Order: sequence, then C-alpha cells, then structure tokens
Amino acid sequence: QVQLVESGGGVVQPGRSLRLSCAASGFTFRNYVMHWVRQAPGKGLEWVALTSYNGNDRYYADSVRGRFTISRDNSKNTLYLQMDSLRVEDTAVYFCARCGTYGSGRYSDLGWFDPWGQGTLVTVPS
Amino acid sequence: QSVLTQPPSASGTPGQRVTISCSGSSFNIGNNDVYWYQDLPGMAPKLLIYRSDQRPSGVPDRFSGSKSGTSASLAISGLRSEDEADYYCAAWDDSLSGVVFGGGTKLTVL
Repeated sequence: QVQLVESGGGVVQPGRSLRLSCAASGFTFRNYVMHWVRQAPGKGLEWVALTSYNGNDRYYADSVRGRFTISRDNSKNTLYLQMDSLRVEDTAVYFCARCGTYGSGRYSDLGWFDPWGQGTLVTVPS
Repeated sequence: QSVLTQPPSASGTPGQRVTISCSGSSFNIGNNDVYWYQDLPGMAPKLLIYRSDQRPSGVPDRFSGSKSGTSASLAISGLRSEDEADYYCAAWDDSLSGVVFGGGTKLTVL
C-alpha cells in the first residue's frame, strides 16, 4: 500500500538547522509532485513547499523561502526538507504528502494532497 | 490571516446536514479547483473532496463539495458523531505561486 514515513524531527535551537526525510513506498515515487505541509500546535494547516516529479521545479511559502530547501532523491524514493535558520515560529508537525495525481500538468491539481504521512514534530524553543 | 476564509466553527445534531464555506479570490478558488481535508486529532489529514466536487473512493457519499465563482462549500449530510473534526479547504493560488489553506472549521456534533 502507499506509505509515507517522515523522520528527522526533534528539538533544535533557534538559528540552527535540521533536515527532515520522508521515505515513500507502494507507488512510483519519481512520477509524483511531493509536498511538505506543517501544522503548529493548536493551529491550522500551512503549506510549506513542493517539488516537481524530477526536482527541477520547486515552490515555497513566503514564510520559509530562503531558509528551507525541498529536494528529492528518486533513486532512494525519499523526499527531504532542509531547514536552516530555524525560528520559534517554525515549531510544528511537518507532514509530507503526495500529489493525488500525476502527469496532468495542471497547477490546479497542486492543492491535491493524497496520501499524507503521519508527521514528525520539530520544536524550536524560545 | 489565511488567504482562504472559513468559519472557525460549525455544529449540528446527529442526522442533520451542515455546510462549511470557503471564500477566496479570482487568484485561487476563482481559477482553480478546491480540495477539502478532514483533520482528526493525532491522525494524518485525510482527503475528502478533490477537484471541487469529486469524492475519493472510501469517502462516504454523505460528504459533497461544490464551487461557484470564488467560493466553495463542503456539505455533510446525515451527520454522525465521528464527523466531529477540523475541516480545511485548499487551492493553488496563481498570484502567490503556492498552495493556500483556509483557517479551518471545527465541526461539533451536539
């Protein structure tokens, strides 16, 4: 079955770095756009970044652009999120999610997240 | 302040029909499809509606989506206690070149 498993979360001091990983299985990883979405404690969902199927195109939320880098290794079926210059407000559960379809070429489909991983918690203490 | 606007809360009694709205602009809902997600505590969010009005296999037909202009709605009929959750709408935003979410609606089943 399709599965996404995040890892790499933890407690990190402000200004430091952390890299998250998302191991994918059960589908042809190299075909799909992949996303990171986060949820701060008690708050709503916030999209973070996406990468195209081959990693050539990447988009970021304004809140993380210039500090976070999304990447993928299709040979390892793994998605990454390199988080630098971490801030207290980056504290959240980080989910990786697969785009619900592939090959459509429609930007409209980029809001389609299915499935999601279980998430990994990143804590940046004040 | 979320780009997509949802009511913070909604409620209904078992068996009732409730509707959750999601308001946006021409840059997002007006020009792109809307997606709806159910968020239960301690669980990964779950896709409920894709491409504005399509229901994935396994999602009960009690859930339905619609879109008109720059607004969208999620309707839940035959409300059940297990529907108590947070619900989010999402769409691609052409101006921001990113995905935007609504602030979420907490549904309470009375």
